Amino acid sequence: GAVVSQHPSRVICKSGTSVKIECRSLDFQATTMFWYRQFPKQSLMLMATSNEGSKATYEQGVEKDKFLINHASLTLSTLTVTSAHPEDSSFYICSARLTDQPQHFGDGTRLSIL
Amino acid sequence: GQQLNQSPQSMFIQEGEDVSMNCTSSSIFNTWLWYKQDPGEGPVLLIALYKAGELTSNGRLTAQFGITRKDSFLNISASIPSDVGIYFCAGHNSGTYKYIFGTGTRLKVLA
Repeated sequence: GAVVSQHPSRVICKSGTSVKIECRSLDFQATTMFWYRQFPKQSLMLMATSNEGSKATYEQGVEKDKFLINHASLTLSTLTVTSAHPEDSSFYICSARLTDQPQHFGDGTRLSIL
Repeated sequence: GQQLNQSPQSMFIQEGEDVSMNCTSSSIFNTWLWYKQDPGEGPVLLIALYKAGELTSNGRLTAQFGITRKDSFLNISASIPSDVGIYFCAGHNSGTYKYIFGTGTRLKVLA
């Protein structure tokens, strides 16, 4: 149980492109979904937290106009990196949880901006 | 942001050896979690701890919730090559949304 699917697993695109990453909880309804960014050999950095039907809560220093989050249903959240530039290249990971349950992670998306 | 300190940062061990790692915090948590991350993948939940002093096992893995609620420990017995990866601890308090992650322990197993 508690399977989280993230798609795509890898994206390579040109600078200026907007990229959408999907995160789905497959066998449970997630009250909360999280988006993380991970730099090489570093820990997970929380970008934002989203609850279904409400605006995402962004961490300090994360531009909400740059990283658009939509949590349309209890099983789907999307992260859109708008007008991506090379410095946005990173490993992005989503997670989902039920209230007071541990969060479960997707397999991540490797984003490379040329 | 806040991070939990994990020790050791990295370790090489021989196959068959036992491994111990820990995670410490300056503040208390009422939930401790341990995750393992393989290269290019998302972290996978190994063990969840909900009570101070709790000792929980998952196969060859055993984790303990420190009595002070400011630390947690993970032990791996009889390590095998597939134990290679990065182990992250995470602390959480109910009623809050944020999980605080550790800096990670990178484990390499020599066959």
